[in-house]
Amino acid sequence: QVQLVQSGAEMKKPGASVKVSCKPSGYTFTSYHIIWVRQAAGQGLEWMGWMSPTSGDTGYVQKFQGRVTMTSNTSISTAYMELSSLRSEDTAVYYCVRGFWLDFWGQGTLVTVSS
Amino acid sequence: DVVMTQSPLSLPVTLGQAASISCRSSQSLVHSDGYTDLHWVQQRPGQSPRRLVYQVSNRDSGVPDTFSGSGSGTDFTLKISRVEAEDVGVYYCMQGTHWPPTFGQGTKLEIK
Repeated sequence: QVQLVQSGAEMKKPGASVKVSCKPSGYTFTSYHIIWVRQAAGQGLEWMGWMSPTSGDTGYVQKFQGRVTMTSNTSISTAYMELSSLRSEDTAVYYCVRGFWLDFWGQGTLVTVSS
Repeated sequence: DVVMTQSPLSLPVTLGQAASISCRSSQSLVHSDGYTDLHWVQQRPGQSPRRLVYQVSNRDSGVPDTFSGSGSGTDFTLKISRVEAEDVGVYYCMQGTHWPPTFGQGTKLEIK
């Protein structure tokens, strides 16, 4: 069955960077884009961008342009989302999701930004 | 950006009764090639979101047939014919027709 397993919770200071990993299984990694969505506590869902494991192409929502980098390592079938210049407002659960139609979701990674 | 407006934002429902969630978009969600990129996602308390319905009306595998999606253009609806306890959670519509994809604010379904 399809699963996306993400790395564990992170605690960072303002101004630092965080890198979250996402390891899908149950399908061919290069067959689907990886989408990243975040959710602040008690809030709704927010698209961040997408990454093609095949080509390395990316598309970022303007709000995150310049601060987010989405990459992958096809040899270990793992996707990554790095967010830099962290601020308290970035405290959220970050989800990796399979494909533009969002058919399978990871378990989420809580990133806490606090001094 | 396309604004997705859901109503109601809170939906108290008696077990066994029907429920309906509306989702309206600020622009038509019909692609130039004819399909409509509108999906529904359920988030149960403490869980990751899970897709329920894709392209307006296609139920995902394992989703009970008490759930149905409908609509076109800018107006969409998710209906639950008989609410069960496991349906408690927040429901989001999402459009992927226009960049960037956007979600509705969410509708919280609870049992009366």
